[in-house]
Amino acid sequence: DAGVIQSPRHEVTEMGQEVTLRCKPISGHDYLFWYRQTMMRGLELLIYFNNNVPIDDSGMPEDRFSAKMPNASFSTLKIQPSEPRDSAVYFCASSVGRGNTGELFFGEGSRLTVL
Amino acid sequence: AQTVTQSQPEMSVQEAETVTLSCTYDTSESDYYLFWYKQPPSRQMILVIRQEAYKQQNATENRFSVNFQKAAKSFSLKISDSQLGDAAMYFCAYNVGNFGNEKLTFGTGTRLTIIP
Repeated sequence: DAGVIQSPRHEVTEMGQEVTLRCKPISGHDYLFWYRQTMMRGLELLIYFNNNVPIDDSGMPEDRFSAKMPNASFSTLKIQPSEPRDSAVYFCASSVGRGNTGELFFGEGSRLTVL
Repeated sequence: AQTVTQSQPEMSVQEAETVTLSCTYDTSESDYYLFWYKQPPSRQMILVIRQEAYKQQNATENRFSVNFQKAAKSFSLKISDSQLGDAAMYFCAYNVGNFGNEKLTFGTGTRLTIIP
């Protein structure tokens, strides 16, 4: 089975541009998570969904960040406008939820560089 | 709020030797899950081992084992017979496990170097 698939793997953009990161979770998983990883702050949970519904978005840094999950097989994380401090690796992860004891399956991450 | 602390930013071990990575956590919950994830240079996070708080027996997966001390809120990872492929960042993580609260809280990680 394919794992969590993220795109793009690398993105370099200029300050002020819109960035869209994409994620396809593992089929049958009903939880989807977006994490951000930086050297300074480590792994931070930005938002997570259950059955396509956002459950907790308290980690979203500010209004420039938005996330959607229009269906069970696709999610996006959008940054508009982007800033240099948004440079990080963004991970998407999914889990099967109840009965799974909390294990998350991660994608390979999208490395974002904002110049 | 739950917190996870890894006090060792970096560790190194000779190949074939044993190394222990430390993790402590803070929670008021009685039932929860603890994890060790490995992040190699390829970046993808991979689950190494999992421990349910209600189980007294320490989890073991081949060369990887944990020392779970619930009262002390300590969860260390022991890697036996270290191999070059074990070189990675290791993250300790916590999940309360309640329905509707599936998120993992991670520690800051320990970078493990294997010396040939």
